Amino acid sequence: KAGVTQTPRYLIKTRGQQVTLSCSPISGHRSVSWYQQTPGQGLQFLFEYFSETQRNKGNFPGRFSGRQFSNSRSEMNVSTLELGDSALYLCASRRVDGGNEQFFGPGTRLTVL
Amino acid sequence: AQSVTQLGSHVSVSEGALVLLRCNYSSSVPPYLFWYVQYPNQGLQLLLKYTSAATLVKGINGFEAEFKKSETSFHLTKPSAHMSDAAEYFCAVSDNTDKLIFGTGTRLQVFP
Repeated sequence: KAGVTQTPRYLIKTRGQQVTLSCSPISGHRSVSWYQQTPGQGLQFLFEYFSETQRNKGNFPGRFSGRQFSNSRSEMNVSTLELGDSALYLCASRRVDGGNEQFFGPGTRLTVL
Repeated sequence: AQSVTQLGSHVSVSEGALVLLRCNYSSSVPPYLFWYVQYPNQGLQLLLKYTSAATLVKGINGFEAEFKKSETSFHLTKPSAHMSDAAEYFCAVSDNTDKLIFGTGTRLQVFP
């Protein structure tokens, strides 16, 4: 069974631009969560989607948004990029109907110049 | 509110020595606890999880962790370190929502 995939793996943007990251969960997994990892703040929860609905949200500004499609694939969008948005963005999926562990993808490394 | 504290941002051991990575948690509800490992330029890999079924949890790659409610601890151990164990390790807590609260991580170095 294929793992969680994230595209692109690396991205370079400039301040003020917007970016969209994509995540495909493990087959059969219906919950998708997003995390931001930075050297200063560590791993922080962004949001979680299930059945195309955001169920939980972390403490991030409204510039960070996401969505989930009917096939459980998810995207997250960051608008008006700031230098501080440079980070590794990790996506994780979970089955929901048994087992509460989350399985992580390799991440997207975003650099904002 | 839930939180996790990992004591020691860096731990160094010799190959073959005992590995002990410390994790203390705070939770107002029975917690779900996890240990993840991250190798350079990769995502997080689940090592093991505690979900109240047993206090001693065995994971992959020879790692295990013991849940001690009285000490609010969930320390990760491995009897004999291998060079391939060098990585960053994260302890995380959840209240069975999908929000994982992570510790700050412990970087394990293994010397030959």
